[in-house]
Amino acid sequence: DIQMTQSPSSLSASVGDRVTITCRPSQTISNYLNWYQQRPGKAPKLLIHAASSLESGVPSRFSGSGSGTDFTLTISSLQPEDFAMYFCQQSYRMPPTFGQGTKVEIK
Amino acid sequence: EVQLVESGGGFVQPGRSLRLSCTASGFTFPYYAMRWFRQAPGKGLEWVSLIRSRAYGMTTEYAASVKGRFIISRDDPTTSVYLQMNSLKTEDTAVYYCAREVVPLDSSGETFDAWGQGILVTVSS
Repeated sequence: DIQMTQSPSSLSASVGDRVTITCRPSQTISNYLNWYQQRPGKAPKLLIHAASSLESGVPSRFSGSGSGTDFTLTISSLQPEDFAMYFCQQSYRMPPTFGQGTKVEIK
Repeated sequence: EVQLVESGGGFVQPGRSLRLSCTASGFTFPYYAMRWFRQAPGKGLEWVSLIRSRAYGMTTEYAASVKGRFIISRDDPTTSVYLQMNSLKTEDTAVYYCAREVVPLDSSGETFDAWGQGILVTVSS
């Protein structure tokens, strides 16, 4: 299975801050990388697919980049509703695997 | 509005069985592959099982951790997907989610664009 490593595992930030989360797969996955947001007690929500394509309805402050073995999720100006867990997921090869998550907390 | 609603979770002893259901609405269910995922307390997401649409033979796949114990099925007329969980172990304790699989037009990699609210399964003696 492809292992997905996210960093950091948690971060503290303030409203308005720029936040960057990194995801590194254990092998190259082209751009087969998706990002999800999960608020406490809620189901995951798809934010970005194919590394950089924003899902309909997702605010433009979210962006994704990268390919191969190095991917980034950026929130350009953190809003109160963005405090949540974020997961990356590869769809290059079965089984789909997820990073361990990054918890974005309020500073 | 796309909706997925899971049911059937609860508390069960090791070695026993449980059947989860997921009822879909708001989309043409027969066209979509459906998956089950789970999330153990305080942990990340783990894929459990896949059932493809009738167009792809309704074929199934399982994670190694559940293969031989869990069975996924679907009933298109009632827009439902099921997960029969047998020989349950304590390590199966988790919130279980059903999700819709979509392959976006600009990608050939699958995404999971709709999820249920999740249902808790606790396996303990």
